Amino acid sequence: ELVMTQSPATLSVSPGDRATLSCRASQSLYNNVAWYQQRPGQAPRLLMYGASTRATGIPARFSGSGSGTEFTLTISSLQSEDFAVYYCQQYYNWPPTFGQGTRLEIK
Amino acid sequence: QVQLVQSGAEVKKPGASVKVSCKAFGYTFTSHDIIWVRQASGQGLEWMGWMNPDNANTGYAQKFQGRVTMTRDTSIRTAYMELSSLSSEDTAVYYCTRGTGSGDILTPNDYWGQGTLVTVSS
Repeated sequence: ELVMTQSPATLSVSPGDRATLSCRASQSLYNNVAWYQQRPGQAPRLLMYGASTRATGIPARFSGSGSGTEFTLTISSLQSEDFAVYYCQQYYNWPPTFGQGTRLEIK
Repeated sequence: QVQLVQSGAEVKKPGASVKVSCKAFGYTFTSHDIIWVRQASGQGLEWMGWMNPDNANTGYAQKFQGRVTMTRDTSIRTAYMELSSLSSEDTAVYYCTRGTGSGDILTPNDYWGQGTLVTVSS
């Protein structure tokens, strides 16, 4: 099973600043990576797929990059609603697997 | 708009089975796969399995093989996930999600249901 490792576990950032979240795969998976946001008490929401394509309705301040084994989600100017838990997911290998999550908290 | 509406919370005893439903709105039910994901309290996301509603093909994570069954009723645009031989470790929120395509086992999940809490307790 392909392992996705996210870092850091918790990231403290001030509103208006940039946040950079990382995800590393245990083997190369081209660009078959998605990112999800989960706010407290809510279901996850798809942010990015194909490593860098924003899902429908996702603001332009969210961007994704990477290929192979290293992937990054960047939020350019943090808004209050962006403080949440973020998960990466690989869908290159069976079964699809998720990272353990990065909690983005207000500094 | 696309919506997945799940059935309500369940409390089950160890050894019992649970069946969660997921009704689809706002799109052609047979044109997108249904994937089930669960999340224990305070924990991460766990992919359980996949179903193509068009032909009922399924694929389950090895961890759940033999215990999970995913089915559908296309006449009412509803998918089901049944998990048997429950233990306390199965206590979690279960999400149905929609795949971005049809017949593609490896796909991201573009819409999520609201989640169904299943509690297993004696």
